[in-house]
Amino acid sequence: EIVLTQSPGTLSLSPGERATLSCRASQSVSSSYLAWYQQKPGQAPRLLIYGASSRATGIPDRFSASGSGTDFSLTISRLEPEDFAVYYCQQYGSPPPWTFGQGTKVEIK
Amino acid sequence: EVQLVESGGGLVQPGGSLRLSCAASGFTFSSYWMHWVRQGPGKGLVWVSRINSDESSTSYADSVKGRFTISRDNAKNTLYLQMNSLRAEDTAVYYCARLRSPSTISPYDYWGQGTLVTVSS
Repeated sequence: EIVLTQSPGTLSLSPGERATLSCRASQSVSSSYLAWYQQKPGQAPRLLIYGASSRATGIPDRFSASGSGTDFSLTISRLEPEDFAVYYCQQYGSPPPWTFGQGTKVEIK
Repeated sequence: EVQLVESGGGLVQPGGSLRLSCAASGFTFSSYWMHWVRQGPGKGLVWVSRINSDESSTSYADSVKGRFTISRDNAKNTLYLQMNSLRAEDTAVYYCARLRSPSTISPYDYWGQGTLVTVSS
């Protein structure tokens, strides 16, 4: 099973600031099958990024992501009020189980 | 418009059973692999189970193997999760989720709103 470790656990920032979230895998994620989701309280997760760096439909370009192998990152270039949420990475390329990181909460400073 | 609507959650005693349903619309349900993902109170996301498009292949997380059964009825556009021998640690919001692509390895692009399962005496 691939274990994903996200850091930091919480990121306290102000609107307009840049956010950088990390996701590290316990073994290489095949073919960069790594996704990022955003989840707000009481809502289902929303797909932001797939294939490690491709934005999903309708996702603003202030969201970008990169990485390969075991190290991945998500960057929000300028935080908007609606971006304060919990972010999860997920690997979906290996045989089951498909695993998620424990999440990074981006909160308003 | 793609929609996934879960139902069937509720309060059940330890050792009890529950069947969750996920009604799909707005897409060709029979073409897509489907998954169940759960989220315990204040916790992160955990993959539970998946089923391929024609029900010929299923997979389960170790924590539910032998207790949960995933199935689907493509004629009714509905996904199911039969949960038996429920434990307190199964308490969670259960989401059904669709893979982004019917033909390639992909993450989830649509999720239901979730249904809450509470296992308690």
